[in-house]
Amino acid sequence: QSALTQPASVSGSPGQSITISCTGTSSDVGAYNYVSWYQQHPGKAPKLLIYDVNDRASGASTRFSGSKSGNTASLTISGLQAEDEADYYCASYTTAATWVFGGGTNLAVL
Amino acid sequence: QVQLVESGGGLVKPGGSLRLSCEASGFTFTDYYVSWTRQAPGKGLEWISYISISGYSIRYAESVKGRFTITRDNAEKSVYLQMDSLRAEDTAIYYCARDRYDSGGYYFEYRGQGTLVTVSS
Repeated sequence: QSALTQPASVSGSPGQSITISCTGTSSDVGAYNYVSWYQQHPGKAPKLLIYDVNDRASGASTRFSGSKSGNTASLTISGLQAEDEADYYCASYTTAATWVFGGGTNLAVL
Repeated sequence: QVQLVESGGGLVKPGGSLRLSCEASGFTFTDYYVSWTRQAPGKGLEWISYISISGYSIRYAESVKGRFTITRDNAEKSVYLQMDSLRAEDTAIYYCARDRYDSGGYYFEYRGQGTLVTVSS
C-alpha cells in the first residue's frame, strides 16, 4: 500500500487560507469517507483534527475544515495563525482493511 | 480522560527483539480497536498494525508482517507489540492509538507520548 500523496510543504501569511491536498486511489481515499487529518507540532504526538472527511474533532478549531472529491481529500485552514505552524497528515482506511497515511505536509506561517 | 501510555522502548541490536506495551485508561477499553503507528526520525507517520476488540481481527503493514505480533489483554486494558528480527529501519517513535469501535469511529485518537525504539549495533 503506497502512502497517500501530500505536498511536502505549504506556506501562508497570518489571516490567509491554505489548502493541503491528499491524493490516493479508488482503494483508499476514493473508497470510503474514512479520511482523517492530524496536526503534529515538533516533539509532540499527533492530534486529530478532522475525521470522516469533514467532521471536526472535539476541541479542534472551526478554522479547520475537510472535503473530498474522488480520490483526493483536502484540508483547509482559514484565518491562519502562528500556532497553526506544524506538520499535517492525512490518513485513510483502505479496501484491504488496513490504514495508510500521507507523507505529511509542513505548514509555515510566514 | 482518555489516556494511552506506551512503554517498552529502548536500544536493541539488529536482529533483536523488543516488546512494547500500551496501557489504556479513561474509556471502555473493550469498545475499541487499537492501532500501533510509528514515526522514524524526521519522517512521516506509518500505520503498522491494529487489533480488534476480541483480538480475532488483526492486520499488519507489509513492512512488519511476519516480524511483529500484536496482542491485547482486555482484563489488563493493554495492547502489546512483540517486535522480532528488528532492523535499523524499525528505529522510530512508536505510538499506540485508539482506533474504531464496532459501528464507526474510523480515525486515530493519540493520547500518549510514544516510546522510542532504536535499532543499532
